[in-house]
Amino acid sequence: DQQVKQNSPSLSVQEGRISILNCDYTNSMFDYFLWYKKYPAEGPTFLISISSIKDKNEDGRFTVFLNKSAKHLSLHIVPSQPGDSAVYFCAALYNNNDMRFGAGTRLTVKP
Amino acid sequence: DAGITQSPRHKVTETGTPVTLRCHQTENHRYMYWYRQDPGHGLRLIHYSYGVKDTDKGEVSDGYSVSRSKTEDFLLTLESATSSQTSVYFCATAPGGNQPQHFGDGTRLSIL
Repeated sequence: DQQVKQNSPSLSVQEGRISILNCDYTNSMFDYFLWYKKYPAEGPTFLISISSIKDKNEDGRFTVFLNKSAKHLSLHIVPSQPGDSAVYFCAALYNNNDMRFGAGTRLTVKP
Repeated sequence: DAGITQSPRHKVTETGTPVTLRCHQTENHRYMYWYRQDPGHGLRLIHYSYGVKDTDKGEVSDGYSVSRSKTEDFLLTLESATSSQTSVYFCATAPGGNQPQHFGDGTRLSIL
């Protein structure tokens, strides 16, 4: 059972525009959510996180929004840059060690 | 990232052979994790360690064992490899259980 779902396998946006990546989860026990970015032949790199007690967290061009009632979170990248092209994984954590990942969304930012 | 080295980076082996993957970290992080990444599944936790000699199972632990005899090393063993264990394996570390994990660059394992 996939408790964290990223329903869009790919997303293409123009440089300078906003990228919005979405993630849904089913387990209401998740209390910490993270986004990771992955380039080919490298490990995932931590990008940004949000606690379940918050609904927004911002770090530079990256903002994560959490809607607990809808069990939905999203990552906004503004403005998008060609170097942002990568696979983005949503992850959710509960019980400290049990982290579940979505299948990933491949973002392509076109110059 | 976080001084994590995985070895080997690539390995091809035959069904039924034992395989050991090594993860070495230089950050003195208490927690270490092994994941596998397969198409359509993202990353799935195999085993994790919360201290020397302290390990526990993850979501997909069947067919795998781990050992941690010192802080910096976490070994993943496939006692008798099967073709379903062909995957990319990632090691991760974290200072605490509820903190972002830092990943190594992965080991691509093919079992023929």
